[in-house]
Amino acid sequence: AQKITQTQPGMFVQEKEAVTLDCTYDTSDQSYGLFWYKQPSSGEMIFLIYQGSYDEQNATEGRYSLNFQKARKSANLVISASQLGDSAMYFCAMSALWGGYQKVTFGTGTKLQVIP
Amino acid sequence: NAGVTQTPKFQVLKTGQSMTLQCAQDMNHEYMSWYRQDPGMGLRLIHYSVGAGITDQGEVPNGYNVSRSTTEDFPLRLLSAAPSQTSVYFCASSKGYEQYFGPGTRLTVT
Repeated sequence: AQKITQTQPGMFVQEKEAVTLDCTYDTSDQSYGLFWYKQPSSGEMIFLIYQGSYDEQNATEGRYSLNFQKARKSANLVISASQLGDSAMYFCAMSALWGGYQKVTFGTGTKLQVIP
Repeated sequence: NAGVTQTPKFQVLKTGQSMTLQCAQDMNHEYMSWYRQDPGMGLRLIHYSVGAGITDQGEVPNGYNVSRSTTEDFPLRLLSAAPSQTSVYFCASSKGYEQYFGPGTRLTVT
């Protein structure tokens, strides 16, 4: 069984500062993927970043980076130089093969608010 | 290229009514999924499909039916709506690891 834990229901960050959103996972699979999605108040789910379990380097996408620590089973999202538009819900998720299907399990989310 | 589309955007049903939430994608993706999002619970998988004619249950399938007659469409049917099915419903499609989500349908059952 897969499980994603996000222990920060809400976070505040000053504009232009960096912020880390925590995510830990639990799985018995050797091959899996880790994701972060952003959900602004408008409701759509926006893919941010992906890390494969065998990727040796941490994934980066612009201002987003995924701090992957396999031994600790953590996949924290780091947002550098926060902007007001970063205020949103952020979901950590993982995928693993489940009967021929890439089953994705989501965490409960962290609400990030960027303060001017 | 419209991506993943969902209709309707909003719907109010009375308890016991049935309805179908529509989902379509134009990216020729094999995998399609339905999720529901409830406050404080993230997204939970209802049903999924790995291709036309092949569907299976996710974590919370009770009260919902699906079928997949074409690669493009994956409708979700509520057989007899209950207040517990008040939620936001997302359809998603994927080919590799990245899922593409539709804009969601906000359903209220009174």
